[in-house]
Amino acid sequence: GQSLEQPSEVTAVEGAIVQINCTYQTSGFYGLSWYQQHDGGAPTFLSYNALDGLEETGRFSSFLSRSDSYGYLLLQELQMKDSASYFCAVRASGGSYIPTFGRGTSLIVHP
Amino acid sequence: NAGVTQTPKFQVLKTGQSMTLQCAQDMNHEYMSWYRQDPGMGLRLIHYSVGAGITDQGEVPNGYNVSRSTTEDFPLRLLSAAPSQTSVYFCASWGGGADTQYFGPGTRLTVL
Repeated sequence: GQSLEQPSEVTAVEGAIVQINCTYQTSGFYGLSWYQQHDGGAPTFLSYNALDGLEETGRFSSFLSRSDSYGYLLLQELQMKDSASYFCAVRASGGSYIPTFGRGTSLIVHP
Repeated sequence: NAGVTQTPKFQVLKTGQSMTLQCAQDMNHEYMSWYRQDPGMGLRLIHYSVGAGITDQGEVPNGYNVSRSTTEDFPLRLLSAAPSQTSVYFCASWGGGADTQYFGPGTRLTVL
């Protein structure tokens, strides 16, 4: 099976940079995804890493180190609207390819 | 495209009642899945399907049934509702070769 660890809560101020870490254990690794979920809403896809390194999409970047079983989501120039929960999800190679989600990190952005 | 749709948005049941949560997608995706989300627990996989006629169990399948007679539809049936099934239920779909799951808006279920 797979397991993921991420912090339960992170706080930051508007305009700052915040990093949300995710460590995982899996018997075979295919890729790591990140999703954002606002209160009362559905998860929406942010990014995906299958190879080591940094993927950048606007203010958001995601990093993966396969050798360390570790990834992070980096949010720059934080805005109040970035207050949400962020989930990492791992897809294991072989089997169903169904992602397993972490418990989520609640990001609170203060003015 | 409507994407992934779910009905109903809200539902209240009494213990022992049965019901079906509907999920449909119009993106011709092979993969569909059902998750439940409880506070502090993230998204837990209930059942999933890799194509029409093929379903399998996820992490928390007890008390739920699914079927996949068409590519578009993936209903979730609660056989005999229990208070422990009070949760928010999300349906998701994606193409087999893609990395992005598309989620429906969710069904908020309360079992009294």
